[in-house]
Amino acid sequence: KQEVTQIPAALSVPEGENLVLNCSFTDSAIYNLQWFRQDPGKGLTSLLLIQSSQREQTSGRLNASLDKSSGRSTLYIAASQPGDSATYLCAVRGGGGADGLTFGKGTHLIIQP
Amino acid sequence: GAGVSQSPRYKVAKRGQDVALRCDPISGHVSLFWYQQALGQGPEFLTYFQNEAQLDKSGLPSDRFFAERPEGSVSTLKIQRTQQEDSAVYLCASSLSGISGANVLTFGAGSRLTVL
Repeated sequence: KQEVTQIPAALSVPEGENLVLNCSFTDSAIYNLQWFRQDPGKGLTSLLLIQSSQREQTSGRLNASLDKSSGRSTLYIAASQPGDSATYLCAVRGGGGADGLTFGKGTHLIIQP
Repeated sequence: GAGVSQSPRYKVAKRGQDVALRCDPISGHVSLFWYQQALGQGPEFLTYFQNEAQLDKSGLPSDRFFAERPEGSVSTLKIQRTQQEDSAVYLCASSLSGISGANVLTFGAGSRLTVL
């Protein structure tokens, strides 16, 4: 059974810092990996989607990398801003026919003004 | 609509009551998913529809949970004889393509169920 782990569980940094969120998964046979952000009381917003054949994706100040063979992904946030404060979730879609995403528990990020 | 709409946003039920949660996906989206998110946890997969067909219900925790999407658009998640452990946020998500597509999921804001 696929398991997704996110480290750290919580992170608080001053505004302007660059930071890295980590995600690891136990079964490397994935179809794709997705990073989401979740704001309190709201649904999930997709940030980046990396197909299994890709190594990284970039969107603005966000860069996500994927090392499928080692079961790891990182989300890099450059020049963090208070508006980046949210919970960041990593999710994988299995390549073996599983329909749903398997999520980690998330990293709760606070950017201090 | 412009996004995935879920109703009610908040539901308080007494233990033993039946509840029904509604999801309006983005028009034309083929795939529809239901997830359950307990407090402090990541979402957990419940069930998946491709159009009106329920292709995967392996995540439904018990036979008290039932989901349908009769016309391939709106979906309803029904929970019978609710129990306290059913308290969670129920998230609905849709995507344009079928399961093998590369489209990202668009999530609704969720329905928060509290069972007393």
